[in-house]
Amino acid sequence: EADIYQTPRYLVIGTGKKITLECSQTMGHDKMYWYQQDPGMELHLIHYSYGVNSTEKGDLSSESTVSRIRTEHFPLTLESARPSHTSQYLCASSGGAGGYTFGSGTRLTVV
Amino acid sequence: GENVEQHPSTLSVQEGDSAVIKCTYSDSASNYFPWYKQELGKRPQLIIDIRSNVGEKKDQRIAVTLNKTAKHFSLHITETQPEDSAVYFCAARTGDNTGKLIFGQGTTLQVKP
Repeated sequence: EADIYQTPRYLVIGTGKKITLECSQTMGHDKMYWYQQDPGMELHLIHYSYGVNSTEKGDLSSESTVSRIRTEHFPLTLESARPSHTSQYLCASSGGAGGYTFGSGTRLTVV
Repeated sequence: GENVEQHPSTLSVQEGDSAVIKCTYSDSASNYFPWYKQELGKRPQLIIDIRSNVGEKKDQRIAVTLNKTAKHFSLHITETQPEDSAVYFCAARTGDNTGKLIFGQGTTLQVKP
């Protein structure tokens, strides 16, 4: 089934560790996005991509980085996790004409 | 920059009553306005959307209205049910070619049985 998949679903990690949150979509969408959201709160755009080899920073300053080497894959990396990075990270994709399809999210806790 | 304001932040209604959530946007070039419902612990799901060439759209118990002149759009839910309880987000697509959606702050709707 065409959808957008995020792994892991939950992650607890120690301060200073490097982590990569995975996001893959099987819908052939060109545009992909990463949002940070505390549960039930505002959605803050941290990165987006128009297509392969294109990435841009979003409105919320973030210490994370992203890459887009393949259309379907848009991973987010934190080089050195801190407790302030504790949040939910939502990946989304868009075919352009309509709205987003969101992944189920990764709930990150940094201890 | 572009901005979307959403009100109210919380809304509590009795089952069977109507609920209205309002949003205003700043980018006059915005042409697409989706609404998302996010249940507790789940991903946001698109429930209805409207494009700038129409003023109203309805899908069963939910409807959205758009006033482009006032840069204002609203979600209307009639005959509310407990399963409508969730956080609702409005959004406006930016007028550039990025496809970015600017989201409102969210409204927590509680429907009391």
